[in-house]
Amino acid sequence: EAQVTQNPRYLITVTGKKLTVTCSQNMNHEYMSWYRQDPGLGLRQIYYSMNVEVTDKGDVPEGYKVSRKEKRNFPLILESPSPNQTSLYFCASSLRARVTEAFFGQGTRLTVV
Amino acid sequence: QQQVKQSPQSLIVQKGGISIINCAYENTAFDYFPWYQQFPGKGPALLIAIRPDVSEKKEGRFTISFNKSAKQFSLHIMDSQPGDSATYFCAASGWVTGGGNKLTFGTGTQLKVEL
Repeated sequence: EAQVTQNPRYLITVTGKKLTVTCSQNMNHEYMSWYRQDPGLGLRQIYYSMNVEVTDKGDVPEGYKVSRKEKRNFPLILESPSPNQTSLYFCASSLRARVTEAFFGQGTRLTVV
Repeated sequence: QQQVKQSPQSLIVQKGGISIINCAYENTAFDYFPWYQQFPGKGPALLIAIRPDVSEKKEGRFTISFNKSAKQFSLHIMDSQPGDSATYFCAASGWVTGGGNKLTFGTGTQLKVEL
């Protein structure tokens, strides 16, 4: 089954404790991205990757890191999480860098206390 | 900078009625305009999309109307059903100055269809 898989689905952590949210897609898509969803603000892009070893900042990159060492994986790293990073996070992938249909994962609800 | 503006934020429609959600964009480089549907606990999923060379696209009860000169597009849900209750996001894709090619989303509309 074609899908984007994120883990974990739910995470509660403390301020400053490094964490990684994994994302993997099995559709051989070139383009992957991370979004955060907050009430009233919609989906805002954090980082994106047009292909392996090519990443760039989205609209809200502060406090986040990503890497794209393999085509299928695109982890999101929070080196020192803060409460304002409490949010619902989505990973998405698209076939090509010229984005048309994006396929989303199930989401990761992160709470930073 | 909000490049895609969406309204209303929430909408309540009676079963069988028409739901209308509006979006406006600023960047004339956008060349693909999808709508995504999101149910609670799920990721957004593509519902319907349009390119700017047509003014309307219809798929079943869902229709996108597109006005290129006004830089506006809207989603119409005919004969709305309780199962349509979800959050709807409009989006626009294209090359963004300094930002590569990406999908920019509106703020979302929470639709509730009542019996």
